[in-house]
Parts: sequence; structure tokens; C-alpha cells
Amino acid sequence: GEDVEQSLFLSVREGDSSVINCTYTDSSSTYLYWYKQEPGAGLQLLTYIFSNMDMKQDQRLTVLLNKKDKHLSLRIADTQTGDSAIYFCAETLYSSASKIIFGSGTRLSIRP
Amino acid sequence: DAGVIQSPRHEVTEMGQEVTLRCKPISGHNSLFWYRQTMMRGLELLIYFNNNVPIDDSGMPEDRFSAKMPNASFSTLKIQPSEPRDSAVYFCASNTGGLAANYGYTFGSGTRLTVV
Repeated sequence: GEDVEQSLFLSVREGDSSVINCTYTDSSSTYLYWYKQEPGAGLQLLTYIFSNMDMKQDQRLTVLLNKKDKHLSLRIADTQTGDSAIYFCAETLYSSASKIIFGSGTRLSIRP
Repeated sequence: DAGVIQSPRHEVTEMGQEVTLRCKPISGHNSLFWYRQTMMRGLELLIYFNNNVPIDDSGMPEDRFSAKMPNASFSTLKIQPSEPRDSAVYFCASNTGGLAANYGYTFGSGTRLTVV
């Protein structure tokens, strides 16, 4: 079935790395995404990874995909106060290429 | 491009009233999606359109909800009659559809609906 799960909260000290984890259940996932939602705003696409890749790096962001375990993670290096937001993991299914399934979101808070 | 434009940004209405939320997708985008976000249920896909045709409305909670897309540049989500449990943030999103849909959606800023 279609299910994407994430932990609800993560607290990190400023300057440290943040790692946000996600698991998904559908092995037919084709693309996986990380979205960021700041307070009062819509979701902003941060990055995506195709299911035949295991890693993608984009500046401070590193996405790791373990397809065997159906596990996706987002690492934010040198976390800043501006990174405070809710981060959503999401997947597109092969059977329904236009439909993206979202997780419940992880609220990242930054400690000074 | 101004992005996906939703109106109004905030709506407060009394129970039983009709509510209409509006969305203008990005020009050239063929697919449009309506989502609802609440603390309890997270982000739920209500309905999506491809080339103005509704493709999947299985997420529409009940008959009180209806959505239309009369042309490629405009969509509405209507709730009639509204109930307090409809209070949520409603997002519209669009993308180019087809294989390019795999590159994600662009979201609007949302409409915060409060039904009292």
C-alpha cells in the first residue's frame, strides 16, 4: 500500500548536521522527494532522487536512499536558524506518475 | 512567473455557509492538485486534474466538497455547506504532468479556512 512515515520532531544545535529519516512501503516508488514548509507558507521542493540512485548531493543537502530497506534520509550540513521548518518526505508511484504521496512531516527546530 | 496563486489567503465563515477557494496554476502546467493540511491528518490529496479533467477524486471527503477546472488557468474547490471540521489549510499545486511530473509540484501559499 501507499504509506510514507517520518518522525514528528527533531531538535538540532546550530552548526551541527541534521538528519531527517523517512520510510516508505511501496516498492514501486519511482521518485522520492524532500519538501520544506516554512511557517505560513506552502511546500517548497528541496530536492528529489530517482529510485535507481543511492545518493544525491546539492550544496548543504545530502539525500541517501536505501531501496532495499525502503529508507530515505535528508542530511543538512551546518544547520542554520533559517533551516527551521517542517520537512516532508514524499514519493511518486510508478502506477500513478502524477500523484505524490506525502509523509506527515518532521518539524526541525534549531537550538542556539 | 508569479507561481501558483491561491485566493483568498484567509477565510473565516460560519457553519452552513458556502465557501469557494480559488487557484490559478502556473501557465503551461497541465496538472493541478488540491491538498488539505491539518494537524491531525497531515497533508491529504483531495483531487487532481490533468488537462482540466478530474483524474482522481477519491480523497474528497464527502459530497459537500466539489472541485472544478473550467479552463487551464483556473480551478475552484467549493464546500457547501461548510462545517467546523473543514477548518484547515487548503493548498493548490501544479506541475507540467506526464514524465516531467516526476520533478515535483509547485505549491501555492495556501488558503487558511476557519469555520466557526
